[in-house]
Amino acid sequence: DTEVTQTPKHLVMGMTNKKSLKCEQHMGHRAMYWYKQKAKKPPELMFVYSYEKLSINESVPSRFSPECPNSSLLNLHLHALQPEDSALYLCASSQVRGTEQFFGPGTRLTVL
Amino acid sequence: EDQVTQSPEALRLQEGESSSLNCSYTVSGLRGLFWYRQDPGKGPEFLFTLYSAGEEKEKERLKATLTKKESFLHITAPKPEDSATYLCAVQAGGSQGNLIFGKGTKLSVKP
Repeated sequence: DTEVTQTPKHLVMGMTNKKSLKCEQHMGHRAMYWYKQKAKKPPELMFVYSYEKLSINESVPSRFSPECPNSSLLNLHLHALQPEDSALYLCASSQVRGTEQFFGPGTRLTVL
Repeated sequence: EDQVTQSPEALRLQEGESSSLNCSYTVSGLRGLFWYRQDPGKGPEFLFTLYSAGEEKEKERLKATLTKKESFLHITAPKPEDSATYLCAVQAGGSQGNLIFGKGTKLSVKP
């Protein structure tokens, strides 16, 4: 299995909702990442987990909360988002930090 | 400051018209350079990793090369299905393994 999967594909939420994005990989990778991508821009790194420990929090607002339940799963919990948070949220994994990253298909998030 | 610049921003080719995309970088200690292809609304698809000057990698109609200051993605006899945004990313010595992305080149291949 050489895939990174993400659910849901699309998500529409109001500013008072709480939702979660999920990511899964079965390649035995020990580094997993969350990125945010706005239209016509490159991906921006949000969080990195290395061996299930949060290594970097790139000063992302606290309304985004990552979780890594085990080495194959990554969640991103969303709460009280703003319309400007609407974007494509990408999950990626790599064998270890510093090796090539493989991306999932993304979750298209719309905040109303 | 570590920086990655891709050119051109957009490129329109006729089917079969070969060309090259450029990725120039200024980083402190290159650890690796990565090429990705991204279709609209989808996640980037990994293409190549290059580690040292002089290295070349090939896949179908694509060939990536690396010098000390830049990388080229050569597209030979492109087809309409090669239309996508091509992203270049580098990993620098001080980046803790994080990728520094260029803004991408949007390639359109007309039949």
